[in-house]
Amino acid sequence: GDSVTQMEGPVTLSEEAFLTINCTYTATGYPSLFWYVQYPGEGLQLLLKATKADDKGSNKGFEATYRKETTSFHLEKGSVQVSDSAVYFCALVERDSNYQLIWGAGTKLIIKP
Amino acid sequence: NAGVTQTPKFQVLKTGQSMTLQCAQDMNHNSMYWYRQDPGMGLRLIYYSASEGTTDKGEVPNGYNVSRLNKREFSLRLESAAPSQTSVYFCASSEIPQGGYTFGSGTRLTVV
Repeated sequence: GDSVTQMEGPVTLSEEAFLTINCTYTATGYPSLFWYVQYPGEGLQLLLKATKADDKGSNKGFEATYRKETTSFHLEKGSVQVSDSAVYFCALVERDSNYQLIWGAGTKLIIKP
Repeated sequence: NAGVTQTPKFQVLKTGQSMTLQCAQDMNHNSMYWYRQDPGMGLRLIYYSASEGTTDKGEVPNGYNVSRLNKREFSLRLESAAPSQTSVYFCASSEIPQGGYTFGSGTRLTVV
């Protein structure tokens, strides 16, 4: 079945460092891919998405490119801030399905001043 | 611009008590979902409703029931609460899953 694998956390970085959080997936069809963010004590928010191969999703300085050849959707940001500290979830849904999202386990990001 | 509204935000129950978690969305979305989030377990789907009038089991439905009251509202009921149901519960909605979900702010439930 479909699955999403994320790098284990926590990931600890200093402010202004470069961020990469790895996400790889297995899917039988042509999924849409998502990154969600969960700040402490809050619900999940959609951060960015990509619906087809080579699409780049971007928001709030974060980017991720849909790489079909490597089945990956890695999250990147050039210069992180303390306010980026949160848990980040990668997820997919098959394009021709009305089923629910398939979720990664989440990666906790800690940014130190 | 409320999005998805969940009530209550916090609840403490005694083992065996029942309660209903309420969820309402104002975005005219077709699909709605109930998840639970536990430390180290990520998000697990309890039930979902692909459209008004339909409900289906997710990954962990035992001990729960749901009602899709209308297009806006999707409630989750615990008939006889157990300590294993201590968790944070999230409701979400989507027009289509491929468009992404909008989440509520969650209900933190403790069963003692």
